[in-house]
Amino acid sequence: GAGVSQSPSNKVTEKGKDVELRCDPISGHTALYWYRQRLGQGLEFLIYFQGNSAPDKSGLPSDRFSAERTGESVSTLTIQRTQQEDSAVYLCASSLSGGELFFGEGSRLTVL
Amino acid sequence: GEDVEQSLFLSVREGDSSVINCTYTDSSSTYLYWYKQEPGAGLQLLTYIFSNMDMKQDQRLTVLLNKKDKHLSLRIADTQTGDSAIYFCADQISGTYKYIFGTGTRLKVLA
Repeated sequence: GAGVSQSPSNKVTEKGKDVELRCDPISGHTALYWYRQRLGQGLEFLIYFQGNSAPDKSGLPSDRFSAERTGESVSTLTIQRTQQEDSAVYLCASSLSGGELFFGEGSRLTVL
Repeated sequence: GEDVEQSLFLSVREGDSSVINCTYTDSSSTYLYWYKQEPGAGLQLLTYIFSNMDMKQDQRLTVLLNKKDKHLSLRIADTQTGDSAIYFCADQISGTYKYIFGTGTRLKVLA
């Protein structure tokens, strides 16, 4: 596609439910990143993929968070048993091999 | 671990220059970036500087890098109301594809 696409753009869920957030990177981009942005705060690194492997998962806040990438393309970020503190905008970005990051518009998650 | 720090807010009058500052801890950065985030949108790359450079100019934007002090700044000349946004400094950790972002500086331009 022309840009990084994320879905859903908005998700409201109840505490304790699982959610899946999807990211479609720019075609051909080998690197893919997930960041979390809480209201009024900066970007918190979660995980990045080089191809389908994740060299650095150090930013995942807890074992309720997981991410996978298949076919060097789409990535899914899964949050299990959501908590209110998970409410944030989840941003995905991709790049060719380092260099400029191209960001999606984000998935806004609200946990009630 | 690596860290990037920025001041949270900056307010300037239209037509004045804005200077947004950033400090980082990574001693072997290769590239440093400035991204802009407009309300409700994702981040877009504004400019970047390679670590062996001291300065880079791109139209109204000037980036200054003091590698000794690990200090990066972004100067916007003739600031316009359309420049109101959040500006993020980012450090690419050398030898990796990992980027650490600062907290962002919210720039407000007063007419």
